[in-house]
Amino acid sequence: AQSVTQLDSQVPVFEEAPVELRCNYSSSVSVYLFWYVQYPNQGLQLLLKYLSGSTLVKGINGFEAEFNKSQTSFHLRKPSVHISDTAEYFCAVSRYSSASKIIFGSGTRLSIRP
Amino acid sequence: DAGVIQSPRHEVTEMGQEVTLRCKPISGHDYLFWYRQTMMRGLELLIYFNNNVPIDDSGMPEDRFSAKMPNASFSTLKIQPSEPRDSAVYFCASSRRGGNSNTEAFFGQGTRLTVV
Repeated sequence: AQSVTQLDSQVPVFEEAPVELRCNYSSSVSVYLFWYVQYPNQGLQLLLKYLSGSTLVKGINGFEAEFNKSQTSFHLRKPSVHISDTAEYFCAVSRYSSASKIIFGSGTRLSIRP
Repeated sequence: DAGVIQSPRHEVTEMGQEVTLRCKPISGHDYLFWYRQTMMRGLELLIYFNNNVPIDDSGMPEDRFSAKMPNASFSTLKIQPSEPRDSAVYFCASSRRGGNSNTEAFFGQGTRLTVV
């Protein structure tokens, strides 16, 4: 079975600073990887996804993530954050052979300080 | 498309009452998921359907919880009887398998359930 670990439950950063949100996964088979964002009192919205091909994936709102198979990681980065990026971020994984069950990490709350 | 639609957005009920949450997936999607989100346990997958058939209900916490999908455009999650510990935000999501571009799940806005 696959699983996802988000090591940081909270990440505070100053506005316009860079940020990295960490995600590690475990799986015995190839996987798809996702990052979702949840703004207060809203549902989850897809930021980006890795399915195959280039290991550097670009998403919405200036975010990007890099798939590292050897380290089983899929860290999310943004070079300069904005107040509006304040939200909870979830890493998720699903099996390559079965695009069905999607397992989520515990989430990282990103708080931006002016 | 209007996206995944959940109703109601908020539900407050008394302990012991039956609660029914509703979901309309995106048209053409053949997978439907029910998740529960709490501060303590995060986002948990309760059950998911493929082509209206329940595939994995191992996340359903107890027999008090049941889910149905009578057709491709509607699903319900029922709790009977409800308990205060069921208070959470319940999300419905749908996805479509059929190529690399359609493997992510699209989420509804959620139903915030409070059991008093």
